[in-house]
Amino acid sequence: GAGVSQSPSNKVTEKGKDVELRCDPISGHTALYWYRQSLGQGLEFLIYFQGNSAPDKSGLPSDRFSAERTGGSVSTLTIQRTQQEDSAVYLCASSSTGESPLHFGNGTRLTVT
Amino acid sequence: GENVEQHPSTLSVQEGDSAVIKCTYSDSASNYFPWYKQELGKRPQLIIDIRSNVGEKKDQRIAVTLNKTAKHFSLHITETQPEDSAVYFCAASREGKLIFGQGTELSVKP
Repeated sequence: GAGVSQSPSNKVTEKGKDVELRCDPISGHTALYWYRQSLGQGLEFLIYFQGNSAPDKSGLPSDRFSAERTGGSVSTLTIQRTQQEDSAVYLCASSSTGESPLHFGNGTRLTVT
Repeated sequence: GENVEQHPSTLSVQEGDSAVIKCTYSDSASNYFPWYKQELGKRPQLIIDIRSNVGEKKDQRIAVTLNKTAKHFSLHITETQPEDSAVYFCAASREGKLIFGQGTELSVKP
């Protein structure tokens, strides 16, 4: 079947604008993750959804960042009042359970000018 | 929360040599330890994983060892090939929350 799908693949926005990134996980996967990867850097944990449980938001860097997952499927990551330091690749991943292999999407490359 | 340290940050080996990457974790309740390989411009992909009830796991040229007492785990790649060149990430998970190390850029020179 289809893998994890992310859109848009690239997003250029002006400083101060809001952006919304979308992730469509593999069907049936209960766990969904968002990570941020700056150029040449590691995978920074942002947020984790597991089934109907409250999400683990401990990695969100500021209150400008929020995420939701509707109907246990599609997730959106919203960044308000974007700053230049928000520029990075935002990766979404899903897995069948909380501790099984993650399947990553291709990411959204966000550039804030 | 969980903190994962990974060393070295860069590693260069000759083709055919072995490569070892080491990670330590802070949360003794972590129980799942996967390794991911990320080639340039591509998404990370799982290469091997180990759970806390196992001390060692091997898959062809790749092996992972886990020392729960010391809270460290290692990736061993034998008979390295140029196509092994990539960035490797270790990770540790407690109750599904997966935290990654900073990555090791492995370069295999022919």
